Amino acid sequence: NAGVTQTPKFQVLKTGQSMTLQCAQDMNHNSMYWYRQDPGMGLRLIYYSASEGTTDKGEVPNGYNVSRLNKREFSLRLESAAPSQTSVYFCASSGQGTGSSEQYFGPGTRLTVT
Amino acid sequence: GNSVTQMEGPVTLSEEAFLTINCTYTATGYPSLFWYVQYPGEGLQLLLKATKADDKGSNKGFEATYRKETTSFHLEKGSVQVSDSAVYFCALSDPNTGGFKTIFGAGTRLFVKA
Repeated sequence: NAGVTQTPKFQVLKTGQSMTLQCAQDMNHNSMYWYRQDPGMGLRLIYYSASEGTTDKGEVPNGYNVSRLNKREFSLRLESAAPSQTSVYFCASSGQGTGSSEQYFGPGTRLTVT
Repeated sequence: GNSVTQMEGPVTLSEEAFLTINCTYTATGYPSLFWYVQYPGEGLQLLLKATKADDKGSNKGFEATYRKETTSFHLEKGSVQVSDSAVYFCALSDPNTGGFKTIFGAGTRLFVKA
């Protein structure tokens, strides 16, 4: 039982390049999330998927797109990377998406855009 | 809007000292409250939670009580260990979005010296 897995762990991009961050969970969770973590700012929600087939914007969606490929997988795409997108990205999942359910996090992807 | 404010770090303590990390929140309705912990190089993991007023969450010697009258959820531990060194995040689950939009504080880094 791997929990939430993310690939890659590290990535360096040049401004304008594109890439997709992959996330998968094996806990049969309905809901999945993408966050970015910046120093002194906690975690900010980029997009979430309440259930398979649905996606919604979070607090900071600009410059990103997502795909809920199936119940297990939720990818995050940067179409044209910018230095402001240098951050650590975390994927998370939760079982019911209700107010009391905890989220399970992956190990993160450290992205640097030069 | 909803928000979480927690004390700035870093907090540096000696082993066996008493720990308090303050957290206050602003929310409409009745959110669930969480403390997550992040060890170096890892994703966040749930430490404890409380879903209604006067609930006490506890785990691994850590405790926090949901105080609606003071809108607080302070984290405490009676005797910290070196292994408790980590970043601690207070969070609330926004009831107005079905719990999908969890709001995180900025995090408090704890260093425990032997």
